[in-house]
Amino acid sequence: GAVVSQHPSWVICKSGTSVKIECRSLDFQATTMFWYRQFPKQSLMLMATSNEGSKATYEQGVEKDKFLINHASLTLSTLTVTSAHPEDSSFYICSAQQGLNTEAFFGQGTRLTVV
Amino acid sequence: AQKVTQAQTEISVVEKEDVTLDCVYETRDTTYYLFWYKQPPSGELVFLIRRNSFDEQNEISGRYSWNFQKSTSSFNFTITASQVVDSAVYFCALYLYNQGGKLIFGQGTELSVKP
Repeated sequence: GAVVSQHPSWVICKSGTSVKIECRSLDFQATTMFWYRQFPKQSLMLMATSNEGSKATYEQGVEKDKFLINHASLTLSTLTVTSAHPEDSSFYICSAQQGLNTEAFFGQGTRLTVV
Repeated sequence: AQKVTQAQTEISVVEKEDVTLDCVYETRDTTYYLFWYKQPPSGELVFLIRRNSFDEQNEISGRYSWNFQKSTSSFNFTITASQVVDSAVYFCALYLYNQGGKLIFGQGTELSVKP
């Protein structure tokens, strides 16, 4: 299957700082990328959908000014958690797909801890 | 409403037992996909199967089998002769073709296989 690389795998940051997470499709062009958040012992919840070259579509309840998503190329999307707080500590995972009706491939996930 | 329900939060079995993980979904869409993913403790999502809404044929892959029944909106997953390495959280997910391909995940079932 196709490979999606997410970086970093884990990060610890201080409260109030910003953290950027990268999601790259290594061997295919991803027209659409999705960002999910997973709290411990819970399911994956979609945060936003990003299409290359256009603004991300955020799910209800997700603050677009806090979770900045950029999908500037067909192989890279970034999620920036701005002014992070301890309650933002979570597992963030991206997925990428080449087009509709295709399988979405997941990155390895990023475990964010805000102290 | 689009929803996936995995009623079993946790299942514990002894090695070599067969185990079935239940998944019930809700959607008004006629075109959709159903997925099963495995999430080991490391966090990454491992793709197991994709089934489209027009294909009700059951599938077997090694010790894994899936039973898709549109009449009951269920897509159950059976592991035959379970092994300790099968211990993980398993997610059933609904792929919304008419909503840009986003995935709606069930709550997950944590499977523990004891030696």
